[in-house]
Amino acid sequence: DAKTTQPPSMDCAEGRAANLPCNHSTISGNEYVYWYRQIHSQGPQYIIHGLKNNETNEMASLIITEDRKSSTLILPHATLRDTAVYYCIALNSGGSNYKLTFGKGTLLTVNP
Amino acid sequence: DTGVSQNPRHKITKRGQNVTFRCDPISEHNRLYWYRQTLGQGPEFLTYFQNEAQLEKSRLLSDRFSAERPKGSFSTLEIQRTEQGDSAMYLCASSIGEKLFFGSGTQLSVL
Repeated sequence: DAKTTQPPSMDCAEGRAANLPCNHSTISGNEYVYWYRQIHSQGPQYIIHGLKNNETNEMASLIITEDRKSSTLILPHATLRDTAVYYCIALNSGGSNYKLTFGKGTLLTVNP
Repeated sequence: DTGVSQNPRHKITKRGQNVTFRCDPISEHNRLYWYRQTLGQGPEFLTYFQNEAQLEKSRLLSDRFSAERPKGSFSTLEIQRTEQGDSAMYLCASSIGEKLFFGSGTQLSVL
């Protein structure tokens, strides 16, 4: 699975959009981009995933560049409860094993 | 749906003792994963089951570690002769598709 690069930390004001970048310049054509987050003292939580097209669900939006070398996770209206470590993971999910390889992620701090 | 349940939430043990953790996945989830997480790091994959079959083991899983999922439902992770370096959060996840659902983990402290 391709390596991903994320900034170690980011700040965001409550109520504003949080835009979390991820670089995956070596991603292959059959690798999806997955985002998980981990709130303190809890296990990781699935947010969203995509291959080529932009995706949106009730939690967030995922914007993938046309060349697929980078992506951005957007939390449209961040709240204090969105303070967490966010992990961007490239995964070849063509098989049945969805084994995730986590990096260190981005610590997003939402400030009041 | 009660989510993935892990017990105990915390375990303190002395070096050299054996410990066992339990994971109850979401019912009907056929895949189960164990991860380990140390402070400041992302979770690291340990092992993976599909139903009762253990299909993959990380090289991190030394011979002191053993995991089972005897009937394809709950799973146990045992660490024998614990060492201080085993101190970590042990996370379990289950899935039936592409989304993994994680439990809150068992925090192990080896004194």
